[in-house]
Amino acid sequence: AQSVTQLGSHVSVSEGALVLLRCNYSSSVPPYLFWYVQYPNQGLQLLLKYTSAATLVKGINGFEAEFKKSETSFHLTKPSAHMSDAAEYFCAASPGAGSARQLTFGSGTQLTVLP
Amino acid sequence: DAGVIQSPRHEVTEMGQEVTLRCKPISGHDYLFWYRQTMMRGLELLIYFNNNVPIDDSGMPEDRFSAKMPNASFSTLKIQPSEPRDSAVYFCASCSGTAYTFGSGTRLTVV
Repeated sequence: AQSVTQLGSHVSVSEGALVLLRCNYSSSVPPYLFWYVQYPNQGLQLLLKYTSAATLVKGINGFEAEFKKSETSFHLTKPSAHMSDAAEYFCAASPGAGSARQLTFGSGTQLTVLP
Repeated sequence: DAGVIQSPRHEVTEMGQEVTLRCKPISGHDYLFWYRQTMMRGLELLIYFNNNVPIDDSGMPEDRFSAKMPNASFSTLKIQPSEPRDSAVYFCASCSGTAYTFGSGTRLTVV
């Protein structure tokens, strides 16, 4: 069974500062990995995904994430935070092979951007 | 494509009543998922279908919950009878390959 752990349920950064949201996975096989963003009272929007191609993945809104197999990590970064980045962020994993497709989510990280 | 469409967006019902949530997946997607989101438990997978066939329903909390997918363009999640602890946001999602799309969710409040 796979699991996803997000370190830090709340992260605060100043506008213009680096954003780093941490995600570690536990899986018997290399999974596919995803980052989603959720704004208040809205659904989940895909930021980026890793599907065993390039280990550095670039997504929307200036976000990127790097898959590190040795560290079983997939941390999300953005060089310069914007006020509009304030939201909840979820890391998720799905089985990397076979017919199973279910996403397992981390517990989420609430990002606050301070002016 | 209009995306994954869920209805209703909000549902308030009294304890003991039957509740039916509806989902229309993206055309051509062969997987459909139902998730529940609460503050305490986060995002939990309830059940998922592949080509309209239920594959894993181990996340369905109790026999009060049931889900069906009668055809490729429609699924329902039913709670009967509903209880206050069922209050949550219920998301439907569909996928083809690794392209997942989530609906806007149904916010259920059971009073």
